[in-house]
Amino acid sequence: GAVVSQHPSRVICKSGTSVKIECRSLDFQATTMFWYRQFPKKSLMLMATSNEGSKATYEQGVEKDKFLINHASLTLSTLTVTSAHPEDSSFYICSARPWEGLGNEQFFGPGTRLTVL
Amino acid sequence: ELKVEQNPLFLSMQEGKNYTIYCNYSTTSDRLYWYRQDPGKSLESLFVLLSNGAVKQEGRLMASLDTKARLSTLHITAAVHDLSATYFCAVDLNEKLTFGTGTRLTIIP
Repeated sequence: GAVVSQHPSRVICKSGTSVKIECRSLDFQATTMFWYRQFPKKSLMLMATSNEGSKATYEQGVEKDKFLINHASLTLSTLTVTSAHPEDSSFYICSARPWEGLGNEQFFGPGTRLTVL
Repeated sequence: ELKVEQNPLFLSMQEGKNYTIYCNYSTTSDRLYWYRQDPGKSLESLFVLLSNGAVKQEGRLMASLDTKARLSTLHITAAVHDLSATYFCAVDLNEKLTFGTGTRLTIIP
């Protein structure tokens, strides 16, 4: 149980285009999902907290107009990187926290590697 | 601001040896997690520590939490090559995780 998927697993895009990444909880409902970013050989940095049916809460220094987050259902959150630039290239990982049960633990998706040319 | 530090950052150890990774954090919390990450992969949950004095063991790994000292340890016993990976601790504060700097562990045959 507690499986989280991400799609796509890898994406390469041209500078200036937008890329959408999906995060789904497959066998549980998640009122809260989180988006993290990881640069090579670095730790994970929380970008934003996504709550179903409401606006995402962004961490300090994260541009909300650049990283659009939508949490339209209890099993799906999306992150759209708008007008991507090479410096946005990174490993993006989502996590989901179950609506009930399983404590407060977050369950992580497999990640999406974004490369902007 | 919560700060989470791990040491060492890099660790090379021979198979069969024991070692400990330390995770120090700056703000009171009684919920800490340990994860493993293989190159190019996402996180694999290892341990969930939910109270002071909590100790959990799985195979050659054992984790403990001292909330008064704001310290968690991940102890490796008789290391084997398969344990080579990067290990992260993460502290839960206000239902958000702050990750440690990570420890890259290499087990040498």
